[in-house]
Amino acid sequence: AQSVAQPEDQVNVAEGNPLTVKCTYSVSGNPYLFWYVQYPNRGLQFLLKYITGDNLVKGSYGFEAEFNKSQTSFHLKKPSALVSDSALYFCAVREPGGGNKLTFGTGTQLKVEL
Amino acid sequence: DTAVSQTPKYLVTQMGNDKSIKCEQNLGHDTMYWYKQDSKKFLKIMFSYNNKELIINETVPNRFSPKSPDKAHLNLHINSLELGDSAVYFCASSQLAGGITDTQYFGPGTRLTVL
Repeated sequence: AQSVAQPEDQVNVAEGNPLTVKCTYSVSGNPYLFWYVQYPNRGLQFLLKYITGDNLVKGSYGFEAEFNKSQTSFHLKKPSALVSDSALYFCAVREPGGGNKLTFGTGTQLKVEL
Repeated sequence: DTAVSQTPKYLVTQMGNDKSIKCEQNLGHDTMYWYKQDSKKFLKIMFSYNNKELIINETVPNRFSPKSPDKAHLNLHINSLELGDSAVYFCASSQLAGGITDTQYFGPGTRLTVL
């Protein structure tokens, strides 16, 4: 069964510093990986996805994620954090042949401080 | 111009009541979903419909019944509401079920509180 793990419940970073939100996955075939962001009292917004190809995926709002097959990881990164990036971030995985079922991680609360 | 919309945004009701949540998408997508987000923010899929046909049913109690009158709408009806049903329910849509480049787009959520 497919699964993702987000080992950190919360990440704190100073504005202007680089940020990383970690995600590791477990699937039986090639993974399709996604990052979503949830702002307070809002729905989930799609940030980026990895399907195949280049291991560095660029997405919305300056975010990028690096797919690492040997470490089964898909960490979300941004070179310079903004206070407005403070939100709840979800990693998700879809397994080939699993229909369109997305399995989400438990979420990581990102707090960017001045 | 909302892509995926849900009504109502908030729903407060008594245990034992029956309620419905409506979802509409104007993206022209073929597939729609219902997810439940619990108090710890954990997200789990409940149902998926492709062009009005049920394709995913994730061991949800049969008090929950999705209904898709057309591919742009997926409503969620809940009978005999229980305290544990309190959660935020998200609707989502995507273009094709199983398409490898498929991305799911989410609605704003409906916060259900059962008293």
